[in-house]
Amino acid sequence: EPEVTQTPSHQVTQMGQEVILRCVPISNHLYFYWYRQILGQKVEFLVSFYNNEISEKSEIFDDQFSVERPDGSNFTLKIRSTKLEDSAMYFCASSDSTALSQPQHFGDGTRLSIL
Amino acid sequence: ILNVEQSPQSLHVQEGDSTNFTCSFPSSNFYALHWYRWETAKSPEALFVMTLNGDEKKKGRISATLNTKEGYSYLYIKGSQPEDSATYLCAFTSGGNQFYFGTGTSLTVIP
Repeated sequence: EPEVTQTPSHQVTQMGQEVILRCVPISNHLYFYWYRQILGQKVEFLVSFYNNEISEKSEIFDDQFSVERPDGSNFTLKIRSTKLEDSAMYFCASSDSTALSQPQHFGDGTRLSIL
Repeated sequence: ILNVEQSPQSLHVQEGDSTNFTCSFPSSNFYALHWYRWETAKSPEALFVMTLNGDEKKKGRISATLNTKEGYSYLYIKGSQPEDSATYLCAFTSGGNQFYFGTGTSLTVIP
């Protein structure tokens, strides 16, 4: 069964550095998402992406964050000038239709540790 | 930010017992509710997408109901097995592509 893949599985970065988290969604999917889960807290929506542009973003997704689909297969989340509080699990998800009928398929996540 | 609550936070049941837990969400502007099963060290796996008031969905021993008027969904597991041990997440959307997750119910089935 096709799956969403995320790399790396664990990223350790110095505070203030930029980090790029990578995701390869399922190939025929059209909707892409990034979520994060800070240890012990809820999974939080960051951003959704459709038709090569952001369709929705949460309050968390400020100017520090950006997303890109550079080559038709990868879907990346860039975090500029990382802070300690950016340490979390970051999950990518994709779906082939809207939430009304189709679930999202999640990757295994990237654990981001900011030192 | 919309509030989605799940209860209980954790649950321990004996193998063979049936169990259920709750997801509460805002009853206004309902669009869809998703249930996911999340095993440790794996990615969340979709169980159900529920959209209509009164919906009942079933997948093997797991079933779910939806009440959009009062803002809750129940997930039922009949005859729990150790492999059912996981965190069960619900996610609500009021339209568009923004989802709000509950904190999850962590289920442990004791052999």
